[in-house]
Amino acid sequence: DQQVKQNSPSLSVQEGRISILNCDYTNSMFDYFLWYKKYPAEGPTFLISISSIKDKNEDGRFTVFLNKSAKHLSLHIVPSQPGDSAVYFCAARLFLGGADGLTFGKGTHLIIQP
Amino acid sequence: DAGITQSPRHKVTETGTPVTLRCHQTENHRYMYWYRQDPGHGLRLIHYSYGVKDTDKGEVSDGYSVSRSKTEDFLLTLESATSSQTSVYFCAMTGAGTGELFFGEGSRLTVL
Repeated sequence: DQQVKQNSPSLSVQEGRISILNCDYTNSMFDYFLWYKKYPAEGPTFLISISSIKDKNEDGRFTVFLNKSAKHLSLHIVPSQPGDSAVYFCAARLFLGGADGLTFGKGTHLIIQP
Repeated sequence: DAGITQSPRHKVTETGTPVTLRCHQTENHRYMYWYRQDPGHGLRLIHYSYGVKDTDKGEVSDGYSVSRSKTEDFLLTLESATSSQTSVYFCAMTGAGTGELFFGEGSRLTVL
């Protein structure tokens, strides 16, 4: 049973436009959500996070929105740049102190076209 | 400087042979994790450790064992490798339950 879902395996966006990556979750006990970015042959790197008590967090070109009632979060990238082409993973943490790690979605491959 | 390193980075082995992957961190972090990444599955947790000699199973632990005899080292062992264990393995670490994981560069394992 997949608790974190990214239903779009890939997304193609023109350079300069907005990229919107979506993520849904089923477990209401998740208290913290994160987005990771992964280039080929590299490990995932942390991008941005949001606590379950907030509905928005912004860091430069990246904004994450959380809708708790819908159990949905999204990552907005504005403007999209060629270097943003990567696989993006949505992840969630259970409210148990964090020892048991994160639950990840399957990822969305973002392709920024010139 | 990478605070977390994995070895080997690439390995090809045959079915039935034992394999050990090593993760080494220099940050003195308490929590360490082993994930595997497969197409169509994302990242799935194999085992994790919350201290020296303290480990627990994750979502896909069958066929794997781990050991942590020192804070800095977390070993993943496949006692008898199978083709279904062909994957990219990532080690990760975190501090005091902040939620943010720091990943190594990955170890690509091919089981023939």
